Amino acid sequence: GNSVTQMEGPVTLSEEAFLTINCTYTATGYPSLFWYVQYPGEGLQLLLKATKADDKGSNKGFEATYRKETTSFHLEKGSVQVSDSAVYFCALSGGGAGSYQLTFGKGTKLSVIP
Amino acid sequence: DGGITQSPKYLFRKEGQNVTLSCEQNLNHDAMYWYRQDPGQGLRLIYYSQIVNDFQKGDIAEGYSVSREKKESFPLTVTSAQKNPTAFYLCASSPQRTGRTDTQYFGPGTRLTVL
Repeated sequence: GNSVTQMEGPVTLSEEAFLTINCTYTATGYPSLFWYVQYPGEGLQLLLKATKADDKGSNKGFEATYRKETTSFHLEKGSVQVSDSAVYFCALSGGGAGSYQLTFGKGTKLSVIP
Repeated sequence: DGGITQSPKYLFRKEGQNVTLSCEQNLNHDAMYWYRQDPGQGLRLIYYSQIVNDFQKGDIAEGYSVSREKKESFPLTVTSAQKNPTAFYLCASSPQRTGRTDTQYFGPGTRLTVL
């Protein structure tokens, strides 16, 4: 079945540091890939997505590229801010039976300190 | 404003009681979902519905029940058979029933605590 593995946290960075959160996946076929963000006590918000190989999703300074050859979708941001502190989830849909269901990674908690 | 609402935000239940969590969307989406979130475990799918009057079990359906009598509503009942119901529950919806590219939109969640 489908699975998503993302780097364990927590991750603590200083403001303006470079961020990478690694995400790899296992799926048959051609899944779509997503990054969601969850702020404390809230639901999830879509951060970005990519629906086919070599697509780059981007939003609010965050980027991730769909790499089929390495089955990866790493999240990056060049300069983080305190307001980026949240939990980040990598997810996929498609690629097999029940293809519209989302499979999530366990989440990576990011803390940005001034 | 279009969106997904969940109520209540916090819910307390005594052991042995059933409780129903509300989820309403005005996005005109066909598909709706219920997830459970536990610390360090990500989100796990409880039930989903692609169309009115139809729903399917997800990965952890035992001890839960749902109904989908209206397109905009997908309530979740946590029954006394659920062994460990204390968790954060998230409802989501998406536009199409089978689109792998669809984004799921999430509500703000309900935190259920069993006393």
